Amino acid sequence: AQTVTQSQPEMSVQEAETVTLSCTYDTSENNYYLFWYKQPPSRQMILVIRQEAYKQQNATENRFSVNFQKAAKSFSLKISDSQLGDTAMYFCAFMKHGNGGSQGNLIFGKGTKLSVKP
Amino acid sequence: EPEVTQTPSHQVTQMGQEVILRCVPISNHLYFYWYRQILGQKVEFLVSFYNNEISEKSEIFDDQFSVERPDGSNFTLKIRSTKLEDSAMYFCASRGGTTHGTQYFGPGTRLLVL
Repeated sequence: AQTVTQSQPEMSVQEAETVTLSCTYDTSENNYYLFWYKQPPSRQMILVIRQEAYKQQNATENRFSVNFQKAAKSFSLKISDSQLGDTAMYFCAFMKHGNGGSQGNLIFGKGTKLSVKP
Repeated sequence: EPEVTQTPSHQVTQMGQEVILRCVPISNHLYFYWYRQILGQKVEFLVSFYNNEISEKSEIFDDQFSVERPDGSNFTLKIRSTKLEDSAMYFCASRGGTTHGTQYFGPGTRLLVL
């Protein structure tokens, strides 16, 4: 069974600075996807960034980037130029790649609560 | 931009009552999911649905739960006899066949069982 571990329950960062949230996972699968979702106080789940395991290049989305280390099973999220609106829970998630109906569900970590301070 | 919608946003019910949570996935999506999040805890998978049948379900998804896609647009989760521990946020998600695994979540239904 796959597991996702987020070892930082809470983090804080000053506005405009950079912060890195860590995530490790355990799987015997070779093809899978990794995601970071953001959950603001409204509790909506918002996709931040996605990484396909077969791609060596780290995904980037504007101020958000990942450091994907497949051998180490590590998938950290870096937020550059932090903004007050980045304050939220951040969940790391794993999904195995499959075919047809067995495309797989998301397995989430416990989350990291990020506070961006002015 | 297309989005997943869920109704109601909040529901309060008495223990033992039946509830139906409704979702309208993104229109051209093929895979549908229900997740729940007990307050302060992580998001947990309940069930996935593809080609008009359940494709996977978790241990949480026992006989009191059922899902249905009654009319080709709505996707519902029914809890037959609610328990106090069913109080949670319930998220619907959907995914298309070409979105490389990305699941798009609805805003959630906050269920409170008294």
